[in-house]
Parts: sequence; C-alpha cells; structure tokens
Amino acid sequence: DSGVTQTPKHLITATGQRVTLRCSPRSGDLSVYWYQQSLDQGLQFLIQYYNGEERAKGNILERFSAQQFPDLHSELNLSSLELGDSALYFCASSKQGDNSPLHFGNGTRLTVT
Amino acid sequence: AQSVAQPEDQVNVAEGNPLTVKCTYSVSGNPYLFWYVQYPNRGLQFLLKYITGDNLVKGSYGFEAEFNKSQTSFHLKKPSALVSDSALYFCAVRDLDSGYSTLTFGKGTMLLVSP
Repeated sequence: DSGVTQTPKHLITATGQRVTLRCSPRSGDLSVYWYQQSLDQGLQFLIQYYNGEERAKGNILERFSAQQFPDLHSELNLSSLELGDSALYFCASSKQGDNSPLHFGNGTRLTVT
Repeated sequence: AQSVAQPEDQVNVAEGNPLTVKCTYSVSGNPYLFWYVQYPNRGLQFLLKYITGDNLVKGSYGFEAEFNKSQTSFHLKKPSALVSDSALYFCAVRDLDSGYSTLTFGKGTMLLVSP
C-alpha cells in the first residue's frame, strides 16, 4: 500500500459531462502529481502541485483543471468530456518537489460513453 | 528536453533465468533515473533510483539496475526471474541540471515470466 488514496476507483459518464477525481497524498507529502495513462499515449504528466501552489504543467488540456487544498488533498476536474478522455488517471505524491521518488495511488478508471 | 526509450514492448523469460529490461535516456545535464513496476489494476510502485555514486543500484524484490553514462543506459536486471515478476516496467528520468523539471516516463515494457 503506497499510502496514496484515490477516489472513486471507477467512473462511467457520458460525453459532455464533468467529473471530479480526488486524491489524498501520503502523510507528510507536500507534492501531488496527476498523470493520465492510456494505451496509445502511455503515461502522460498532467500537472503538479507543491504545498498548495501549482509547480509544473504538462500535457494538460484546457478542459482539465486541478487544485491542491490546505489539507494537501488534490482534485482533478475534467469537463466537457470526450470519448478520448477515457483513461486511467493516477495521482502520485512525494515529500519534496524534485528529487524524492513518487508514490502512486491505484488510479481512477474513467470511461466516457 | 529529456526523454526515455524502452525499446522492447515485451520481454519473455523463463523462471529461474536472468532478466534484463532495457532503458536508454536523453538529458542535457546529469540524469536522475528511476524504475517503477505496475501490476494489473494497480498504481506504479517504486523499485529503485540512481542519482550519483555506484553505477550498480540495488532495489526492491531482488532487482538491480546498471547505470552506464557512455551508453546513456539504465537497464533493469534480476539474476533469477520469478513468475510473480510478470508486470509492466517503467523507466523514468529527470534532468538534474535544468532547474526544476518533471519526471518523464518511458512507454513501459511488459515482462512475462513463464513457469
């Protein structure tokens, strides 16, 4: 068990809808990362937060947004969903921003129909 | 820019035989290298990392990796494979000298260990 908790485990929704994915990092970890995993794109970095502030942005669509709250949990919001957004979304956390290993949650599997 | 290549989509090995999963990287500065493993329906689990020092790094579950600067490689190895090692393996790199940079993952290599 990595100590990173993601909810929900599965999400099925329709095109055009909006969903929120939630992540609780390991106790003591200040950094939270969001990744998208799909068969064709592999593991793509979306965004990172460190102690509540956005730290780095990757291949995140404008329809997607995230935030990290004062208690350090994070939410990833996906809106105007398209079929191609179906994927596994992982949250990871680490103690420091740069050089600590990432610890991954078990992911949220999003299916857009 | 930083990148990682895992040239094999799949590696097949018999139980008890040594295994190697290949990884090459490209960074402007000095690399910070990781291996992760992913079992079905689970997140990635950290196996080992290299930042500096001994070129042979030992990690979890009997795995080790060899850093080769001249060949820009960081191959994952295990002397004797187990069926339970069957999983998806990811190599990842971060450029230590480019200020802050994110972790870039390879596309993954599926390891299948047959009984």
